[in-house]
Amino acid sequence: QKEVEQNSGPLSVPEGAIASLNCTYSDRVSQSFFWYRQYSGKSPELIMSIYSNGDKEDGRFTAQLNKASQYVSLLIRDSQPSDSATYLCAVNPTIKAAGNKLTFGGGTRVLVKP
Amino acid sequence: DAGVTQSPTHLIKTRGQHVTLRCSPISGHKSVSWYQQVLGQGPQFIFQYYEKEERGRGNFPDRFSARQFPNYSSELNVNALLLGDSALYLCASSLAGQGGIYGYTFGSGTRLTVV
Repeated sequence: QKEVEQNSGPLSVPEGAIASLNCTYSDRVSQSFFWYRQYSGKSPELIMSIYSNGDKEDGRFTAQLNKASQYVSLLIRDSQPSDSATYLCAVNPTIKAAGNKLTFGGGTRVLVKP
Repeated sequence: DAGVTQSPTHLIKTRGQHVTLRCSPISGHKSVSWYQQVLGQGPQFIFQYYEKEERGRGNFPDRFSARQFPNYSSELNVNALLLGDSALYLCASSLAGQGGIYGYTFGSGTRLTVV
C-alpha cells in the first residue's frame, strides 16, 4: 500500500463545473496536509494547506480533511481551462519538528474542457 | 523578492559521471529540502537540511549526497550517474521548523537527463 494514494485520472470536467479530487494516506500520525498544483513541465505550486478536520476555503478552492477516515479532498469550483494541471496531495507527519518531509501522492491530472 | 532559485535549469550527463545541482532558498528561509520527480510520478524526498545539518534522508543510495552552506544555499551531488537518475530535481525551502505549517516553496527545478 502506497503511503499517499490518488487517482491518476485524467479527471475531465466541463468548464464552470466542480472538480472533486481525493487523496488517502496510510500514516495515522500525519498532522498537516497540502495540495500542490503542477502544470506540465513546471514545478509544484502550493495552493492549499489544512491541519484540522473539516473544511477550509480559499477562493474557488476548498480542502476537506477527515483524519478518522484518513482522507483529504480538494474541490475546485467554477473550473476554468487554466485549472488544467496535475494536482498533488502531500502529507507531513509532524508540524513542529525541523526534520519535516513531505510524502506525495502520484497526482491527479485534471482536464477542464471549454 | 526572489523565490527559490535553482541552477542549472537543464543538464545532460553521461552514465558514470558526477553532477552538482545548486539551490538558493527564499531570503530568511533556513531549511532546504531536495526532491526527485520522475516523469509521471509525485516528487520523492531525498534530503532535508536545516541550519547546515542533515535533518532527514529519504530512501536513496549513498551516491546521493548534499550539503548546506552558511548562507543556507545548498548543493545536491550525485555520483556514478545511472540512466534511472534522469528526473526533475526540485529544491524546496521553508522557514525554520515551519514547513509543516506553511508548506514548502519549490524552485523551478533542474531537469537532469542521463544518456
